[in-house]
Amino acid sequence: DADVTQTPRNRITKTGKRIMLECSQTKGHDRMYWYRQDPGLGLRLIYYSFDVKDINKGEISDGYSVSRQAQAKFSLSLESAIPNQTALYFCATSDFAGYEQYFGPGTRLTVT
Amino acid sequence: EDQVTQSPEALRLQEGESSSLNCSYTVSGLRGLFWYRQDPGKGPEFLFTLYSAGEEKEKERLKATLTKKESFLHITAPKPEDSATYLCAVRQGGSEKLVFGKGMKLTVNP
Repeated sequence: DADVTQTPRNRITKTGKRIMLECSQTKGHDRMYWYRQDPGLGLRLIYYSFDVKDINKGEISDGYSVSRQAQAKFSLSLESAIPNQTALYFCATSDFAGYEQYFGPGTRLTVT
Repeated sequence: EDQVTQSPEALRLQEGESSSLNCSYTVSGLRGLFWYRQDPGKGPEFLFTLYSAGEEKEKERLKATLTKKESFLHITAPKPEDSATYLCAVRQGGSEKLVFGKGMKLTVNP
């Protein structure tokens, strides 16, 4: 089984809808991250969490919120989706040292 | 501001034709330079971490090296299965962020 899983893998939604992307991990890592990837822009950090009570904004957090429900679960929400949030979204984890990050398979989100 | 630049943006090689990918960076207090491989429709897969100038790491046909300003990913006698996008990222001291380059798409033709 994969160490980092993401659901759904693909999602098409309409402008203004609320949507949640979920991430679960079995690596036992404390740190979890959400990134988005756009063609020509690379991976950009949205939010990251060191543990259940520690959540931090990344470089592009506007329009997004997160919830760390447990050590193994980290969800990303779009409260009111807009078309420029169409992208690939990746969850990643790392251990306490925070060096190597391990990525999930991604969610392809399309907002129409 | 941290900058990570990868070149070339895309590279086509024939099977067996060795080459190198470049990642140049500007960051104070480097706490690690990371190489990832990404296949279409998948998440990045961790390859290497380099921490100090002069360090080298190898995995199969790949060898990563680090200087004070750049890193190279050398690909020796590539095979079609090496075709992927290769990402470089850096971590600055005191920061929890990885700053990624835009990636380099490698295509190896049989």
